[in-house]
Amino acid sequence: DQQVKQNSPSLSVQEGRISILNCDYTNSMFDYFLWYKKYPAEGPTFLISISSIKDKNEDGRFTVFLNKSAKHLSLHIVPSQPGDSAVYFCAASLNTGFQKLVFGTGTRLLVSP
Amino acid sequence: DGGITQSPKYLFRKEGQNVTLSCEQNLNHDAMYWYRQDPGQGLRLIYYSQIVNDFQKGDIAEGYSVSREKKESFPLTVTSAQKNPTAFYLCASSFLGQGNQPQHFGDGTRLSIL
Repeated sequence: DQQVKQNSPSLSVQEGRISILNCDYTNSMFDYFLWYKKYPAEGPTFLISISSIKDKNEDGRFTVFLNKSAKHLSLHIVPSQPGDSAVYFCAASLNTGFQKLVFGTGTRLLVSP
Repeated sequence: DGGITQSPKYLFRKEGQNVTLSCEQNLNHDAMYWYRQDPGQGLRLIYYSQIVNDFQKGDIAEGYSVSREKKESFPLTVTSAQKNPTAFYLCASSFLGQGNQPQHFGDGTRLSIL
């Protein structure tokens, strides 16, 4: 049962344009959502998070939007840079006495010059 | 520099052999985690620990064991009972608290079967 879904395995955009990565979830009890970026043969790096009581959080070129009614969140990267090329994982946090993270399957972003 | 160190980067296991993956952190984090990543899949939780000398099973604990004798260290043993151990293993740590305390990851260990 996939509680966090990233339905697009890959995305290609041109440098300078906007990248939009999408994530859907099924469990309304998730209290935080996080985005991680991963390069090959490295561990994921935390990018940005959003509380379930917010609908937007912004950090530099990265903005995460949360639509609770649709159980959907998205990560916007503006402007996209070649160094942004990586796999992006969406994760949702469930407070079960500890911070359990449920990960999506990832979206590979390729930003071409 | 603070961080999480996983070793070795690559590891090979023979049939019937137990192998241990090391994870050390100097971030003063209370909680530590082990995940497994398979191709095309998200990270799945194997074990986690919130305090020294205590740990709990995650979603796919069968065939694995851990210990937490020190706050900084959380080694994972892949036992011979794990029939499909080939994967990328990631260790993470975080402060305790709500989901706004992000988990920080090491660079992983890739385990293969000889």
